[in-house]
Amino acid sequence: GEQVEQRPPHLSVREGDSAVITCTYTDPNSYYFFWYKQEPGASLQLLMKVFSSTEINEGQGFTVLLNKKDKRLSLNLTAAHPGDSAAYFCAVSAGSNNRIFFGDGTQLVVKP
Amino acid sequence: GGIITQTPKFLIGQEGQKLTLKCQQNFNHDTMYWYRQDSGKGLRLIYYSITENDLQKGDLSEGYDASREKKSSFSLTVTSAQKNEMAVFLCASSIGSNYAEQFFGPGTRLTVL
Repeated sequence: GEQVEQRPPHLSVREGDSAVITCTYTDPNSYYFFWYKQEPGASLQLLMKVFSSTEINEGQGFTVLLNKKDKRLSLNLTAAHPGDSAAYFCAVSAGSNNRIFFGDGTQLVVKP
Repeated sequence: GGIITQTPKFLIGQEGQKLTLKCQQNFNHDTMYWYRQDSGKGLRLIYYSITENDLQKGDLSEGYDASREKKSSFSLTVTSAQKNEMAVFLCASSIGSNYAEQFFGPGTRLTVL
């Protein structure tokens, strides 16, 4: 079945720096991709969903890049601020059986 | 919009005890999920259900039972709590298509003494 590897597990950056989180997946039939944010003590909230036809998606303060050839998905927080401190999870769907597969998460700390 | 509620928010049990966690959603979603999240770790799927009275095992179903009594509710039972077990159990729902995101509840934090 699908395996999703997320790196790094921990990331510490200074305010204003960029922060990059990367996921690789194994199933070449994967078609739908998601990024979730989990603030301390809270549940997961969807940041963005990306479909296979999309290579770059931009949100508020972040960019998601999908490289299907390398089976790689990345989240780039372009100018991180302390409010971005949270756990981030990628998730991948191979388009069957209603399951999505999660990476193990990245704990991001943004220092003032 | 909608909301997912989980009860209880905190659950303290004794070793060997049978414990039940409940989840309700008012999105009218078809599919519901139970995940376990250990401290600082990712999510592991325990059970999911694609419609009322349906049950599908996830990767971590041993030691758990689940029940989808109606479309809006999905309960999870820890059949025999393990001593020193601590985890957060997250319930989620989605419309059931593979491109649809999952919406998550606030979680139930389990501690076993």
